[in-house]
Amino acid sequence: DTAVSQTPKYLVTQMGNDKSIKCEQNLGHDTMYWYKQDSKKFLKIMFSYNNKELIINETVPNRFSPKSPDKAHLNLHINSLELGDSAVYFCASSQEGLGGGYTFGSGTRLTVV
Amino acid sequence: GENVEQHPSTLSVQEGDSAVIKCTYSDSASNYFPWYKQELGKRPQLIIDIRSNVGEKKDQRIAVTLNKTAKHFSLHITETQPEDSAVYFCAPFSGGYQKVTFGTGTKLQVIP
Repeated sequence: DTAVSQTPKYLVTQMGNDKSIKCEQNLGHDTMYWYKQDSKKFLKIMFSYNNKELIINETVPNRFSPKSPDKAHLNLHINSLELGDSAVYFCASSQEGLGGGYTFGSGTRLTVV
Repeated sequence: GENVEQHPSTLSVQEGDSAVIKCTYSDSASNYFPWYKQELGKRPQLIIDIRSNVGEKKDQRIAVTLNKTAKHFSLHITETQPEDSAVYFCAPFSGGYQKVTFGTGTKLQVIP
């Protein structure tokens, strides 16, 4: 009965590869997000979707492409992975549009070697 | 965009003492003020929040106080326990489709 689930939990891959992270929420929330947490623990928003519509697209390289097939799912595809992409990626959802209390997924630790 | 600062960046307290973390923001339209706790290797979790029409909210050992005039809000933890050791984030929000900016985090260490 996990509220926000992400897969995979760990991802180790070589530079230049393409990888995807999947996220699903069963809370009935309308808004979902991708956040990146670097080694210094800063949480930086990457994308936000409301009812499958992209509403926030931060200054993120276009190698990152989110997709929301429905309001319960938000996936993140990353092309041509670089060393600097290594981080923990968190999916989150909220009920009250942007800024209501977030429920985070367990995170995906991406390591690019 | 919103400027959000947290102080201190690290805090060590003896078990049983109190801890206070302050979050300063720039957007006077902010009306929702949450605090998140992130234990090592885990996800951030909402622990307490407050709306702008309330000055203080308490939940057992944790409380949040808001000073809208001065544009800051604080997390108070009393009778700290080792399990309170974590990184704490604030994330003030003004509503609508503005992005949420998280504070830079405060690492709290409770020494047994």
